[in-house]
Amino acid sequence: QVELVESGGGVVLPGTSQRLSCAASGFNFNLYALHWVRQAPGKGLEWVAVTSYDGTETYYADSVKGRFTISRDNSMNTLFLQMNSLRVEDTAIYFCAKDAVTHCGGNCYSDYWGQGTLLTVSS
Amino acid sequence: SYVLTQPPSVSVAPGQTATISCGGDNIGGVHVHWYQHKSGQAPVLVVFDDYDRPSDIPERFSGSNSGNTATLTISRVEAGDEADYYCQVWHSGSAHRVFGGGTKLTVL
Repeated sequence: QVELVESGGGVVLPGTSQRLSCAASGFNFNLYALHWVRQAPGKGLEWVAVTSYDGTETYYADSVKGRFTISRDNSMNTLFLQMNSLRVEDTAIYFCAKDAVTHCGGNCYSDYWGQGTLLTVSS
Repeated sequence: SYVLTQPPSVSVAPGQTATISCGGDNIGGVHVHWYQHKSGQAPVLVVFDDYDRPSDIPERFSGSNSGNTATLTISRVEAGDEADYYCQVWHSGSAHRVFGGGTKLTVL
């Protein structure tokens, strides 16, 4: 069965960097787009970024563009999120989500999600 | 940026029908997807492409989309349906995934 397991969360200082990972199994990893979605405490879901099946297309939410980088290693079935210049408002549970398509051209949705990893940015 | 508007909360008695709306400018022109999210768990896709259901989702969950409003309908509501529900679209113009603010479904 499809499994997505996030890791790399923790408590970090504002202005520092952190890298999240998402290990995937149970499906043909190199055929599908992948997303990061976050949920701040007491808030709703917020889309963060997406990468196409081969990593050649990436898109970002305005709130993280220029600070976060999404990438993938298809040989290791792993998705990454490199987060730089972290802010207190980046505090959230970060979910990785598998898309049902290869890339988000005109329509895409996530058919499987991980349980998330909590990142706390605090001084 | 494209905005999706959901009611913050909906309450319904067991066995009744819950209706959750998702408003957006000409939302009927794009595909809408719905997720169920229970605290501490992974979100679950319950409706995709406006009205289709994943094979493991009960027929009690259905969707529609027209004009400026998409709707998720849950028939014969059960206690286990209590959760937050989010609508979602892909906005091609900005190449952004957009979520509604979420609706907390309470089963009385």
